[in-house]
Amino acid sequence: EVQLVESGGGLVKPGGSLRLSCAASGFTFSTYSMNWVRQAPEKGLEWVSSISPTTTYIYYADSVKGRFTISRDNAKNSLYLQMDSLRAEDTAVYYCASGGPSDYWGQGTLVTVSS
Amino acid sequence: EIVMTQSPATLSVSPGERATLSCRASQSVNNYLAWYQHKPGQAPRLLIYGASTRATGIPARFSGSGSATEFTLTISSLQSEDFAVYFCQQYYNWPRTFGQGTKVEVK
Repeated sequence: EVQLVESGGGLVKPGGSLRLSCAASGFTFSTYSMNWVRQAPEKGLEWVSSISPTTTYIYYADSVKGRFTISRDNAKNSLYLQMDSLRAEDTAVYYCASGGPSDYWGQGTLVTVSS
Repeated sequence: EIVMTQSPATLSVSPGERATLSCRASQSVNNYLAWYQHKPGQAPRLLIYGASTRATGIPARFSGSGSATEFTLTISSLQSEDFAVYFCQQYYNWPRTFGQGTKVEVK
């Protein structure tokens, strides 16, 4: 069974940092591109970042470029999102999702940026 | 950036009826168009990719059509479990972009 399990969310003050993790199982993680997608309260889905299987290609939404860093460890079947200089508008549920289009999704982890 | 526009924002449908959802791209996405179903508190689920190919395990009542800039998701006979929010997404170009969603609610 395919599983994607996010962790690392929580409450953080504006300007702070968080590192999200996504543990993958049930599929050949190292052959899939991976993505982070978020959903702010009462808003739609917003693509955040993507990384190719061997990290050759990395893409970011303009709204997070220069503040967020996506990475992966294929040996650990894990995806990461380092989030720095967090803003109130980064408050959202963050999902990791596999592939493009995304056929597998995690349940999400909530990030709240508030003083 | 390719802007995806979905209509209507909300669709009120009775169980058993047909639902037709639209998605328009600001420029051609060459059929690199996916549809997702999203229920509160759950992970989004891929329904359709390549504009018209059903994902694994998706019932035949879900169908996608269209090309270039105009796309449609049709649910032929709504079941109780189909009431949800539906998003389209283009994966032709970076940044990947989603439509704002169509909420399918019980009439």
